[in-house]
Amino acid sequence: DGGITQSPKYLFRKEGQNVTLSCEQNLNHDAMYWYRQDPGQGLRLIYYSQIVNDFQKGDIAEGYSVSREKKESFPLTVTSAQKNPTAFYLCASSIRTGTGELFFGEGSRLTVL
Amino acid sequence: AQKITQTQPGMFVQEKEAVTLDCTYDTSDQSYGLFWYKQPSSGEMIFLIYQGSYDEQNATEGRYSLNFQKARKSANLVISASQLGDSAMYFCATLRSGGSYIPTFGRGTSLIVHP
Repeated sequence: DGGITQSPKYLFRKEGQNVTLSCEQNLNHDAMYWYRQDPGQGLRLIYYSQIVNDFQKGDIAEGYSVSREKKESFPLTVTSAQKNPTAFYLCASSIRTGTGELFFGEGSRLTVL
Repeated sequence: AQKITQTQPGMFVQEKEAVTLDCTYDTSDQSYGLFWYKQPSSGEMIFLIYQGSYDEQNATEGRYSLNFQKARKSANLVISASQLGDSAMYFCATLRSGGSYIPTFGRGTSLIVHP
């Protein structure tokens, strides 16, 4: 079945460590996104990519990095520079930017101890 | 910049009754889209319904309908005949202009359906 796979679902890390969250899609979508969700905050955009080898910062990109070397994959690295990384992270894709229907993964919950 | 406001942090409804979840938006665009997503406790976001700004009729998808009032800039979600499985967070979203039209979300409304 087509869809988006995020891994891991739960992740615990010590403060100061970089962690990478995986996001893979087999929907043949050009656009991919990373959102962060905190209680009461809704979804905030971290990075997005419109096409392979291209990505743009969202509203809260500081302390995060991404790559888009393959159409199917858009991994997110939470670096030690991110001051408050504990959150729920959602990856999404759409056929292209400008089409609002997003397809989401199940999310990754990161807890920094 | 586009902005979405959901003023109801939490709503309660009796099973089988209808409920309206509010959403207002702020945009200077002539053409735009509005969306609603559902997020159950499992965390995955599920697309529910879409309304284009030039659509003359309110969008409907099964038990979901969108009460679109363009002059008031509101796009309320109406769920008819609520079911226990409707208990979830609900997010209103629009496309943010500025070149790339990226989806931007409100803070969400928590809906609890009582038996």
